[in-house]
Amino acid sequence: DVKVTQSSRYLVKRTGEKVFLECVQDMDHENMFWYRQDPGLGLRLIYFSYDVKMKEKGDIPEGYSVSREKKERFSLILESASTNQTSMYLCASSLRVAQYFGPGTRLTVL
Amino acid sequence: QQQVKQSPQSLIVQKGGISIINCAYENTAFDYFPWYQQFPGKGPALLIAIRPDVSEKKEGRFTISFNKSAKQFSLHIMDSQPGDSATYFCAALVDQAGTALIFGKGTTLSVSS
Repeated sequence: DVKVTQSSRYLVKRTGEKVFLECVQDMDHENMFWYRQDPGLGLRLIYFSYDVKMKEKGDIPEGYSVSREKKERFSLILESASTNQTSMYLCASSLRVAQYFGPGTRLTVL
Repeated sequence: QQQVKQSPQSLIVQKGGISIINCAYENTAFDYFPWYQQFPGKGPALLIAIRPDVSEKKEGRFTISFNKSAKQFSLHIMDSQPGDSATYFCAALVDQAGTALIFGKGTTLSVSS
């Protein structure tokens, strides 16, 4: 079974803090993704990566950056957290088309 | 053109009934159409998927119907059960390197007993 793990289930941060969300997959997948999920808005793609050190902007990259130094790990960085970044963050990985999601990190920015 | 439009936003179905969720797309280059199921507190999980070369795919009580000319596809859940209560997302993808799934906004299904 594919396993995608995220470093925290719940996270509370202050406005202006730098926040790191970590994602690790154990299936040697080429592709990794970060989404945020908000009620009524569905899943919106923030960034994705199809190879180590490669990244592509998704639909809502503003205020975020990513890092992929190793194939199995994809990090989402909030450079200066703001209250409008309070959300559920979901990481996913895929070999080709089927994406497998982690359990999510619920981030609250106060 | 990259959007996937999903309806309804919410759905209440009696136990044993048929649940139907619809999605529409514009980009004719899409060639992979999955449905994901998400329970509260969990990440979405792949439920069933279809390619545009077939009009229907069935897995147990779950069926995807695909209408290429209308650019629509739908999920049918037969004999709906309370355990099917979840949020369902349709999605679409162009199957080539460097692309990502485009998701609909989701449908919250409640199956009443």
